Amino acid sequence: ETGVTQSPTHLIKTRGQQVTLRCSSQSGHNTVSWYQQALGQGPQFIFQYYREEENGRGNFPPRFSGLQFPNYSSELNVNALELDDSALYLCASSTPTPPETQYFGPGTRLLVL
Amino acid sequence: DAKTTQPTSMDCAEGRAANLPCNHSTISGNEYVYWYRQIHSQGPQYIIHGLKNNETNEMASLIITEDRKSSTLILPHATLRDTAVYYCIVRDAGGGNKLTFGTGTQLKVEL
Repeated sequence: ETGVTQSPTHLIKTRGQQVTLRCSSQSGHNTVSWYQQALGQGPQFIFQYYREEENGRGNFPPRFSGLQFPNYSSELNVNALELDDSALYLCASSTPTPPETQYFGPGTRLLVL
Repeated sequence: DAKTTQPTSMDCAEGRAANLPCNHSTISGNEYVYWYRQIHSQGPQYIIHGLKNNETNEMASLIITEDRKSSTLILPHATLRDTAVYYCIVRDAGGGNKLTFGTGTQLKVEL
């Protein structure tokens, strides 16, 4: 059974650019959540997707957007990058039955210069 | 989700049991206690979860007090590889719920 995978592993962008991060969920999982983890902090919830629709959102501006595809994989898009967007971006997929345990991928390290 | 309180850091000798406490005094009846750990710069790793009863798996044991206001994660024979930040999280069993991470406990396992 393949776990959660994310790509790319590392990325460097400049302020104002746009970035797309990708996540493949674990087999049998239909829900994907995205988190941002700044250096020295715990992960912060960005949003969650279930059946290709956003199903909950944290305190992040609209320039953070996402997609979920029919195969349950997902993308996180960030527009107009700011320096503070530099962080580890984590994707987690959930088991389909309660309590819907989340399993995390290795993350994508984004550096905005 | 109920708030959790954990010690900032703990040390443990290799081979000894590591007992990591967590307070969640405002937990409600349908909220689970989850434990994750994060080794430096990696994604959080699921360890164990429980509702009312004590739980054990190949990684750890979870002891939840009868009033459910606190819990302890036990790593029975800590190794150097168990050095990580351990997060105790309380969340609702309902679908579509986020995980709210606090600052966790930095466990350092030493020789």
